[in-house]
Amino acid sequence: GQQVMQIPQYQHVQEGEDFTTYCNSSTTLSNIQWYKQRPGGHPVFLIQLVKSGEVKKQKRLTFQFGEAKKNSSLHITATQTTDVGTYFCAETDSWGKLQFGAGTQVVVTP
Amino acid sequence: DTGVSQNPRHKITKRGQNVTFRCDPISEHNRLYWYRQTLGQGPEFLTYFQNEAQLEKSRLLSDRFSAERPKGSFSTLEIQRTEQGDSAMYLCASSYSDRGRSGYTFGSGTRLTVV
Repeated sequence: GQQVMQIPQYQHVQEGEDFTTYCNSSTTLSNIQWYKQRPGGHPVFLIQLVKSGEVKKQKRLTFQFGEAKKNSSLHITATQTTDVGTYFCAETDSWGKLQFGAGTQVVVTP
Repeated sequence: DTGVSQNPRHKITKRGQNVTFRCDPISEHNRLYWYRQTLGQGPEFLTYFQNEAQLEKSRLLSDRFSAERPKGSFSTLEIQRTEQGDSAMYLCASSYSDRGRSGYTFGSGTRLTVV
């Protein structure tokens, strides 16, 4: 099935700094969803992007879908300790099931 | 509605034993999914149901795994003759049949340890 690659695998961020995590595919994605999983927790839905070049914001989080629909990014500004966790991108296939990337694990240093 | 509920939260079993997990989805959701997650990896798809019909099974799901969703409500995932490689977090998720546009709601998972 479709495979989405996430980079970086790990991200150490100083509190207050910005960072970006990327989700890439070799083929066109029909859509992309982002989830956050806190340590010891379960994935929590953040957002879905469907349209080419789409940009959506949730407070300090900005999500983008590439023009070619082969990549997506999540940018977090002014990182806080509450941003700790693993961020996953995933595509839904024609049957609606999710194909997850391996995730970006974010550690925030106070 | 309190979301997706999974029981038990933790299960330790001896190799060769059978285990069964339960998932109670959000009542309005007609799709139910099972995923497996190991440390440092994203969740891997196992199987899913639309109402009571099991529509797809992953190649990861060997003959030792079986899932049911009687009457399109709760679901059970059974693993027979457990092996150490089955140790993982088993996640259940539910959604509307809108290709996930509303997002999937995951349960807290059942962590299986096979000793």
